[in-house]
Amino acid sequence: NAGVTQTPKFRILKIGQSMTLQCTQDMNHNYMYWYRQDPGMGLKLIYYSVGAGITDKGEVPNGYNVSRSTTEDFPLRLELAAPSQTSVYFCASSLTSGATGELFFGEGSRLTVL
Amino acid sequence: AQSVTQLDSQVPVFEEAPVELRCNYSSSVSVYLFWYVQYPNQGLQLLLKYLSGSTLVKGINGFEAEFNKSQTSFHLRKPSVHISDTAEYFCAVRASGTYKYIFGTGTRLKVLA
Repeated sequence: NAGVTQTPKFRILKIGQSMTLQCTQDMNHNYMYWYRQDPGMGLKLIYYSVGAGITDKGEVPNGYNVSRSTTEDFPLRLELAAPSQTSVYFCASSLTSGATGELFFGEGSRLTVL
Repeated sequence: AQSVTQLDSQVPVFEEAPVELRCNYSSSVSVYLFWYVQYPNQGLQLLLKYLSGSTLVKGINGFEAEFNKSQTSFHLRKPSVHISDTAEYFCAVRASGTYKYIFGTGTRLKVLA
């Protein structure tokens, strides 16, 4: 059972560079989420998706973009990396907002912008 | 909008002692409540959840939590902690009819020998 898989696990970027964090899930979940985790700040929602072709902004969307062309994949793109985007990024998925509502998390991607 | 407050950023406790990690939430509609645990360099795992029904919820690893609607709280408890419980614990809320899960800032539990 792979669950939620994130790549890469670690990355160092220079200011102004672009990159995509990949996230894929094999549980046929409708809902997918991107969070960032900063020390003492908890998890902040960046973007989420309720199904293929549908995305919406979370609490801290500025500087990021997402797409959801398939049920399985939900990549997060950073267009012009800034030091403020240094963080640990978590992708999560959920089958439905109804009965169980449990989020399943990937292991995280640690990004450093220098 | 919903919000979650975890007042204690760190909680040190001796092994085999009881512990309570506090969580308060704010919402104008009914909510679903969750506790997650994060071990070092790992993702988050679900400890327990309250969706409806009994206000006392039991989870994995001997943890339990009680939903108190009047006090808008969902405190996490364990009667006797182990060294292996050392981790960061996050409370989360999702409002009924929405898709967003809002997390608190986390409480770092350190169990001392």
